[in-house]
Amino acid sequence: GENVEQHPSTLSVQEGDSAVIKCTYSDSASNYFPWYKQELGKRPQLIIDIRSNVGEKKDQRIAVTLNKTAKHFSLHITETQPEDSAVYFCAASRGSAGNMLTFGGGTRLMVKP
Amino acid sequence: GAVVSQHPSWVICKSGTSVKIECRSLDFQATTMFWYRQFPKQSLMLMATSNEGSKATYEQGVEKDKFLINHASLTLSTLTVTSAHPEDSSFYICSAPDPGASGYTFGSGTRLTVV
Repeated sequence: GENVEQHPSTLSVQEGDSAVIKCTYSDSASNYFPWYKQELGKRPQLIIDIRSNVGEKKDQRIAVTLNKTAKHFSLHITETQPEDSAVYFCAASRGSAGNMLTFGGGTRLMVKP
Repeated sequence: GAVVSQHPSWVICKSGTSVKIECRSLDFQATTMFWYRQFPKQSLMLMATSNEGSKATYEQGVEKDKFLINHASLTLSTLTVTSAHPEDSSFYICSAPDPGASGYTFGSGTRLTVV
């Protein structure tokens, strides 16, 4: 089955700096790669996703890059703000129709004001 | 987007009792529902996949007789934790493929505490 590794497990940055979180996956058939932000005790919230036919996607301060050959994808957050502090999870799937999501181990991001 | 309603949001039960968690798809038909468990400061781990009208598929290491899953209709999937023990205390969350957004929609989660 799919195995998703995520690094780092914790990340502390100064407000205004950039944050990068990296994930690798093992299943070459995976084609959907979402990133979630999770507040304590809440459901994961989708912040951006990318499919395997695209190498990069950007939404304001958030961007995701995908390298299919190397089987890794990364989340980039620019101009970080204290409200970006949360736990972030990457995930991989063969596509949502009937296929499960496999999550990475999570990254606790702390943005210091 | 599609909405999955999950209840209860939290429950405290005594050791040895059973607890039922419900997930309802409000504006779409969920033929598949994924059940995840999340221990404190850990990731979401898939427990089982339920499919409407058929038996659930359990992940390795998950006891099917302890975690009973029923998906009797296209809008309701339930997880029953039988004979709960303190080590079952966790955050349980369901998820279904979102037919509109081609992603996944999550329930709000259930915090189970077994005392």
